[in-house]
Amino acid sequence: NAGVTQTPKFQVLKTGQSMTLQCAQDMNHNSMYWYRQDPGMGLRLIYYSASEGTTDKGEVPNGYNVSRLNKREFSLRLESAAPSQTSVYFCASTPREQNLNQPQHFGDGTRLSIL
Amino acid sequence: AQSVTQPDIHITVSEGASLELRCNYSYGATPYLFWYVQSPGQGLQLLLKYFSGDTLVQGIKGFEAEFKRSQSSFNLRKPSVHWSDAAEYFCAVGAQGAGSYQLTFGKGTKLSVIP
Repeated sequence: NAGVTQTPKFQVLKTGQSMTLQCAQDMNHNSMYWYRQDPGMGLRLIYYSASEGTTDKGEVPNGYNVSRLNKREFSLRLESAAPSQTSVYFCASTPREQNLNQPQHFGDGTRLSIL
Repeated sequence: AQSVTQPDIHITVSEGASLELRCNYSYGATPYLFWYVQSPGQGLQLLLKYFSGDTLVQGIKGFEAEFKRSQSSFNLRKPSVHWSDAAEYFCAVGAQGAGSYQLTFGKGTKLSVIP
């Protein structure tokens, strides 16, 4: 089925370990986004990529890096995981940049726990 | 900067009863407004969106929302709730960012449905 695919679905890390969360979309969308969701906080934007080859910081970028590998894939990396990064991470995509008429399509999330 | 407030953290209704979820936004220009629903363990699914025109918008699953500029509100309604509507609901406002657009989400309202 077409959509946004995130891997892994679950992960447990120890403090200080590194980890890359993968996201791929097969809808030929230009823009991609990474959010984190914490209880009572809604979704907060970490980083986004308006188009292939560009990335920009969102509301909460500290402790994360991203790579827009190609048009399909947008990865999120935790270089040195901290317990405060325990969260559910969502990837999303939209067909075109600068087009608010296009809603964001979300993956099912990656549940990350850091001990 | 834009912001979204969902005043109700948790609402419980009986099956068959009507529902209204509140959303207030703050944004300096014409807002682009969205309602998303999240079932447990799932990503977010778009219910409806407002960009311009008719202030009463219809969405999927029998939901509707009304944009009231004077009250800075975009409340979600459903005439008769079904048990399957139990989920968490997020209101969001969209704004143009650098090369793309960004969504700012409210903290969500969890809906419980009593059979």
